[in-house]
Amino acid sequence: EVQLVESGGGLVQPGGSLRLSCAASGFTFRTYWMRWVRQAPGEGLVWVSHINDDGSRTTYADSVRGRFTISRDNAKNTLYLQMNSLRVEDTAVYYCARGNYRALDSWGQGTLVTVSS
Amino acid sequence: QSALTQPPSASGSPGQSVAISCTGTSGDVGGYNYVSWYQQHPGKAPKLMIYEVSKRPSGVPDRFSGSKSGNTASLTVSGLQAEDEADYYCSSDAGSDTWVFGGGTKLTVL
Repeated sequence: EVQLVESGGGLVQPGGSLRLSCAASGFTFRTYWMRWVRQAPGEGLVWVSHINDDGSRTTYADSVRGRFTISRDNAKNTLYLQMNSLRVEDTAVYYCARGNYRALDSWGQGTLVTVSS
Repeated sequence: QSALTQPPSASGSPGQSVAISCTGTSGDVGGYNYVSWYQQHPGKAPKLMIYEVSKRPSGVPDRFSGSKSGNTASLTVSGLQAEDEADYYCSSDAGSDTWVFGGGTKLTVL
């Protein structure tokens, strides 16, 4: 069974940093591209970042480029999102998701990031 | 990276059919056959319902179908059931490994 488990969320002050992790199991992690998607309270889904299977290619939404960094450790079956210079508007549930057939076929349960003073 | 346009709400009675539209541009929906649809129940993670415009993952009922014409994609739910009540989001490739989601549609089963 495919499982994605996010962790690392919490309360952080504006300007602060946080590192999210997504532990993958039940599939050959190194052969799939992965994405982070976020959802602000009461709002819709927003794509945040993409990483290919070997980690050599990454892309970002305009709203986070230069502040967030996506990475992966295929030996540890783990996806990461380093978030710096956090803003109030980054408050959201962050989901990691597995890419397949140019869609996201498996999602984690999400981790809540709250940016507030 | 502008969001795709979806109607905020849609509704139908049990057994009826309802269609949800998703409008983009030639740079996303119109330019790629990589439109997917997701169902999200309150407090839950999204679930893939349709990929590559019209394909259904294993386990998704055939009551769910997808199509595309020009810059607009559509999700049709036939034979509405109470458990279909949820939020639905479309998404599309937008080139160079970037993606865009729609704003979401709340489907109510009357």
